[in-house]
Amino acid sequence: NAGVTQTPKFQVLKTGQSMTLQCAQDMNHNSMYWYRQDPGMGLRLIYYSASEGTTDKGEVPNGYNVSRLNKREFSLRLESAAPSQTSVYFCASSTKGRRNTEAFFGQGTRLTVV
Amino acid sequence: DAKTTQPTSMDCAEGRAANLPCNHSTISGNEYVYWYRQIHSQGPQYIIHGLKNNETNEMASLIITEDRKSSTLILPHATLRDTAVYYCIVRVGGDSNYQLIWGAGTKLIIKP
Repeated sequence: NAGVTQTPKFQVLKTGQSMTLQCAQDMNHNSMYWYRQDPGMGLRLIYYSASEGTTDKGEVPNGYNVSRLNKREFSLRLESAAPSQTSVYFCASSTKGRRNTEAFFGQGTRLTVV
Repeated sequence: DAKTTQPTSMDCAEGRAANLPCNHSTISGNEYVYWYRQIHSQGPQYIIHGLKNNETNEMASLIITEDRKSSTLILPHATLRDTAVYYCIVRVGGDSNYQLIWGAGTKLIIKP
């Protein structure tokens, strides 16, 4: 059982380049999330998807777009990368419902924009 | 904005109980308290969560004060592998569409 898988693990971009971060989960979870984590700080929510076909903005959505391709996959796109987007990006998934609401996280994508 | 306040760092001796405090004085009545930890910048790992009552699972215990303005995570017998950053988090929103509001966490160092 792989859980939440993110690709790539590392990436260096030049300012203005675009790229898509991929995330897939095999736990049949309805909700998926994208976070960023800057050095010494907690995670900040970029976008989330409560169910297939829906997406909503989180705390820091500017400069990003997302696609909930199907129930398993949730991608994050940077259209024109900026140095301020240098960060570690985490994807997560969770079930709905009162009894099992903990989120499972991927191992992260370390992105550097130069 | 983060809704929790935690010490920046703490030490604990191996084999002893680690008690990690968290203040969440502005928490609303329907907002849960969650704890996660992050080891070596890996993906965060869920530990426990609660609303009003104290909770216990195989990893830890969560003690929430009666006024819900603070809580304590207890690792009963800390090991070296428990060295990590521990995040106390408030969950806002309903069961089907919630967000976790993260603070800066407590770096817990377990010493031999």
